[in-house]
Formats: sequence, structure tokens, C-alpha cells
Amino acid sequence: QQQVKQSPQSLIVQKGGISIINCAYENTAFDYFPWYQQFPGKGPALLIAIRPDVSEKKEGRFTISFNKSAKQFSLHIMDSQPGESATYFCAAIAVGTYKYIFGTGTRLKVLA
Amino acid sequence: DTAVSQTPKYLVTQMGNDKSIKCEQNLGHDTMYWYKQDSKKFLKIMFSYNNKELIINETVPNRFSPKSPDKAHLNLHINSLELGDSAVYFCASSQTSEQFFGPGTRLTVL
Repeated sequence: QQQVKQSPQSLIVQKGGISIINCAYENTAFDYFPWYQQFPGKGPALLIAIRPDVSEKKEGRFTISFNKSAKQFSLHIMDSQPGESATYFCAAIAVGTYKYIFGTGTRLKVLA
Repeated sequence: DTAVSQTPKYLVTQMGNDKSIKCEQNLGHDTMYWYKQDSKKFLKIMFSYNNKELIINETVPNRFSPKSPDKAHLNLHINSLELGDSAVYFCASSQTSEQFFGPGTRLTVL
């Protein structure tokens, strides 16, 4: 129940294309769902996050879609750029528990 | 200004040795974490401290011992290092929901 399942494991997209990464969870106590971006040799950094009271959050070319009934959320990167080639992690946390549960990561490669 | 810093960045050592990794955050956060990231990039939480008290202790061998001398520091000591300990270790801190990660320490056990 504590798992967050992430897919795909790897993704190759042409420059300008749309990158879509999906995550699914089981624990209905989770109430904060962030996405982290990690470049090689660096620590993960928060990209965008959503709470379950909204179905979508958009920041620039990054959008989270959230489906509470299906217990799924996804990251969409519009007009993907080669500089965004990185590993992306979804995560979930029940606020107040301190314990993040991370997905297994998606290695995104955007071809120039 | 570096928000979460770790030292050293690289650590190469022999099996059986004891080593420490240090972490400091200047964000004024109450909660700090240690994560292990293996070669497949899986991020696994190891420990968490809130106001110097241990609040998360995952299934980690007793050879790993965290120490928090104050809210801004969380160190990780590892005894009797094994080959399987080779990984990147990340420190992180948080005040609310967002976690801020350090740059990582790449530990290689030979």
C-alpha cells in the first residue's frame, strides 16, 4: 500500500514533442504529490507538485494531471527540450508523516 | 549560498572500513533525511530526524548510524563497509512538504 508505481522506465522524445510520465498509488492517505527532476551528478529538485483537491496544475510547459478516483497522476512536458533530459521521479506523502514514497524514476531523453 | 551541503562528494574505501558522511542545511528546516540511491536510480529513505529526534528508521543494517548534533546537521556513520553499500547517498531537509536535496555523496566500496 505504500508503493508508488511509475512508468515508463525510460522515454525518448523528439525535441518539441510531449513527454508523459505516469504514476499510480494505493494509499488514500497521501495528500501531496510532487515531481522531482534529477540531472546526472546532482540531487533531485522539486519541479512541480499537486494536492488532491485539484485535478490539474500547470507551471509553464509542465502540467500535472491528477485523477483521485483512479489514484493516478501524471506529468506532461510540452515542447520538450534537450536540456530537460534527466531522470524524473514522482512521489507521494501523507503530510505530517514526514515519509516520502518515491516512484522508481523515468529516464527521459529528448533528442535534438 | 548552498542550501543543503554534503561532504565528501566522493568517497572510495576498502571493505571493512568505517566512514562518515556529513550534511548541513542552512534553510532553518526542522526535518532532515538520508536517502540511498542505487545504480538503478531507486531512491530509498533510510532515516529522518525532526528537531534532532529520530522519527523514521527504515530497514537499514545496524552498521548505519545517523547522528544529529543540532537541527542544521545530520551525519551518517557507516561501520564495516560492504560492497553492497556502494551507492549515492543524499541528504535532504524539509519544513513543510517540499524536500530540498543535497548534491549527494558517491560511495564506492572496493
